[in-house]
Amino acid sequence: NAGVMQNPRHLVRRRGQEARLRCSPVKGHSHVYWYRQLPEEGLKFMVYLQKENIIDESGMPKERFSAEFPKEGPSILRIQQVVRGDSAAYFCASSFRGPRDRGYNEQFFGPGTRLTVL
Amino acid sequence: TQLLEQSPQFLSIQEGENLTVYCNSSSVFSSLQWYRQEPGEGPVLLVTVVTGGEVKKLKRLTFQFGDARKDSSLHITAAQTGDTGLYLCAGAGNTGKLIFGQGTTLQVKP
Repeated sequence: NAGVMQNPRHLVRRRGQEARLRCSPVKGHSHVYWYRQLPEEGLKFMVYLQKENIIDESGMPKERFSAEFPKEGPSILRIQQVVRGDSAAYFCASSFRGPRDRGYNEQFFGPGTRLTVL
Repeated sequence: TQLLEQSPQFLSIQEGENLTVYCNSSSVFSSLQWYRQEPGEGPVLLVTVVTGGEVKKLKRLTFQFGDARKDSSLHITAAQTGDTGLYLCAGAGNTGKLIFGQGTTLQVKP
């Protein structure tokens, strides 16, 4: 009964490189959320996806960041041309229900990917 | 913009003492979740409260949701060193995203 899986757990990139973070939700969960935790700050919402669709990307920077959740395979958070300010822990969460479904929306988190930009 | 104010930010107590952590907002949430996060790990869900006035107990932890569903509290009775960690409250609205409080770092000393 695997929970949310994220890889890699640690990622080091030089400025200007691309970072790809992967998230496999809990089996049976079709709702995926990405959050970012900057040093000494709380968790901030970035994007909410439901299979093949971006539902809410209001927390994601307009440039360099993109996310997808294809029909098959994990959700991917992609950061192009990384800068030092992108260094943070990125967490993925999944839920069985979405906000429009009956019942409440419990989100289960993965262990995170710690991105360090040199 | 929905905000959750969590207090206190830091708490250092002796084993056996009681403590309460508060989460307050001017916004109404459809549910509120409490998480605990260990260093280097992701948040682990402790409980979800949904109904105004709801009280849930998890061993020595008691969670309460305010009548108006704008605030919540976590009370720990007779804290143990194993309770040390970062506690996070998170409110869910009707958009799917969770709004997190700043977190409370709890240290329980033997």
